Amino acid sequence: AQSVAQPEDQVNVAEGNPLTVKCTYSVSGNPYLFWYVQYPNRGLQFLLKYITGDNLVKGSYGFEAEFNKSQTSFHLKKPSALVSDSALYFCAVRALNSGNTPLVFGKGTRLSVIA
Amino acid sequence: DGGITQSPKYLFRKEGQNVTLSCEQNLNHDAMYWYRQDPGQGLRLIYYSQIVNDFQKGDIAEGYSVSREKKESFPLTVTSAQKNPTAFYVCASPPLTRAGDYGYTFGSGTRLTVV
Repeated sequence: AQSVAQPEDQVNVAEGNPLTVKCTYSVSGNPYLFWYVQYPNRGLQFLLKYITGDNLVKGSYGFEAEFNKSQTSFHLKKPSALVSDSALYFCAVRALNSGNTPLVFGKGTRLSVIA
Repeated sequence: DGGITQSPKYLFRKEGQNVTLSCEQNLNHDAMYWYRQDPGQGLRLIYYSQIVNDFQKGDIAEGYSVSREKKESFPLTVTSAQKNPTAFYVCASPPLTRAGDYGYTFGSGTRLTVV
């Protein structure tokens, strides 16, 4: 069975500071990993994904994520946070070779960037 | 532009009544999914359909029903058997192929409130 854990319900960071939103996963075989963001009163938007290749993936809005196979983690990072980054962030996974089975999502982490 | 349209945005239902949520896509995608979003619980899969005239139960299908008579449409009915239907419902569709895969396309959601 596939699962995703986002251990922090809420992350607070000062504007200009680096941010990290944590995600660990469990999947049979190689993972197909995503990060999505949900702004207030908006639908989910794609940020970035990892399939294979470089462990550091760059995505939209200056975000990046680091895939660590040994720790089964895919933490989301940004070097310098903006107030506009405040939103709800979801990590999602499925097995790479599972056809088109639906993604399994984490519970979400609310990021609050304080000016 | 292609996308997913969910209607209505807000829906109120009396206890004991069935209600149907609409999800329409013009992406020409085969697969469509329904997720339920609750605070602190992330997105949980209700039903999914990989192709017209076929659908499977997700993790929390009890009290829900779907149909997939047309490729463009995947309506979700919340029945009176659903014990806690108040939630935010999100329709999604994965891309046709992994090449150029920018993740799922999500609808803007329907917020259902039982009164």
